[in-house]
Amino acid sequence: SQQGEEDPQALSIQEGENATMNCSYKTSINNLQWYRQNSGRGLVHLILIRSNEREKHSGRLRVTLDTSKKSSSLLITASRAADTASYFCATDKGANSKLTFGKGITLSVRP
Amino acid sequence: DVKVTQSSRYLVKRTGEKVFLECVQDMDHENMFWYRQDPGLGLRLIYFSYDVKMKEKGDIPEGYSVSREKKERFSLILESASTNQTSMYLCASSLVYKEQFFGPGTRLTVL
Repeated sequence: SQQGEEDPQALSIQEGENATMNCSYKTSINNLQWYRQNSGRGLVHLILIRSNEREKHSGRLRVTLDTSKKSSSLLITASRAADTASYFCATDKGANSKLTFGKGITLSVRP
Repeated sequence: DVKVTQSSRYLVKRTGEKVFLECVQDMDHENMFWYRQDPGLGLRLIYFSYDVKMKEKGDIPEGYSVSREKKERFSLILESASTNQTSMYLCASSLVYKEQFFGPGTRLTVL
């Protein structure tokens, strides 16, 4: 069953702009993770935010988590053409580290 | 660097064949996972394993079985391949409650 639902489904921006992607989920979680997938490849982990954290940064990435609204956002600042990929949020409910993935957001960054 | 390898990038099989997909990780991770990824459906968990010889069904186990005889290796078996099993198959591994590391994927076509 799908837990995370990303929004929007597709996003197209100009290089240098910021990209904001949202994720909503339904049940309580242990942590929430964001992954990136380049076309035809495996997923790469970007960032993990625990349920008791509200914000986390990693380089040009900023993730927020609002457990009261059951939502998270991923912000990529100063985007680059190389950021073009699909982005997935995944929720960990704390049961054997199983993740439930959303359907993903396709980000296109135009040079 | 964690490395998760999958036995084939592309595989073409005929309906009714028995298919083995192999996954090997080199970081002594307890957990290993098999997902399939289909357009519009995101990643769906087929099976996971949290220890040698231990396995649990995921969301879509029908038509699949798994084997984990050694900690580093997790095999997905399609007992009798069918056309609706044409998909991208992704293997991942992780420590408990940590991020997952993915292999490059196997694109399986069943004719």
